[in-house]
Amino acid sequence: SQQGEEDPQALSIQEGENATMNCSYKTSINNLQWYRQNSGRGLVHLILIRSNEREKHSGRLRVTLDTSKKSSSLLITASRAADTASYFCATDNQAGTALIFGKGTTLSVSS
Amino acid sequence: EAQVTQNPRYLITVTGKKLTVTCSQNMNHEYMSWYRQDPGLGLRQIYYSMNVEVTDKGDVPEGYKVSRKEKRNFPLILESPSPNQTSLYFCASSYTGGDGYTFGSGTRLTVV
Repeated sequence: SQQGEEDPQALSIQEGENATMNCSYKTSINNLQWYRQNSGRGLVHLILIRSNEREKHSGRLRVTLDTSKKSSSLLITASRAADTASYFCATDNQAGTALIFGKGTTLSVSS
Repeated sequence: EAQVTQNPRYLITVTGKKLTVTCSQNMNHEYMSWYRQDPGLGLRQIYYSMNVEVTDKGDVPEGYKVSRKEKRNFPLILESPSPNQTSLYFCASSYTGGDGYTFGSGTRLTVV
């Protein structure tokens, strides 16, 4: 049961540029989370934004949430080669028993 | 270091040979879960556990079993593996299930 859909599927940028990824979801949520996955490795939790929050920052990351449009965006500023990874948004199911992941955006940052 | 430890990292096995993938967390998390990740299908939840002796099915539980006898451990058992269970498996934990998850490094399973 897929909830989040990331856009674009793939993104290629140069070091120093900003990267923006978008996520849309279908049903009401308690929170939305973003994760990073380096090739074949485990997912790393980046940031969680609750349904009553509109924007959140963590270092070079900025996440926005628009519950009226059922969408979120992740902005990575001043990208580095080490940011090359897949990025997933995930929403909780209403029972809080699962995270439902989108299929991810593959970000490639070249130096 | 706070972490979720999965073993083994890689496993190749034959159809029908029972196997167990172990998962252990050192953060005293109540919630633990297993996911599988497949190309084109993304991450799908297999089973989850809200606490000791409390487990329930996720989206794709067929062919899998779990147990939660201790808070820190949540093994995934494949009683009779089949080739369609070839996948990348992740164990994850969190305090409540409604907050950020900590994931293990993954187990790449190949069933031939």
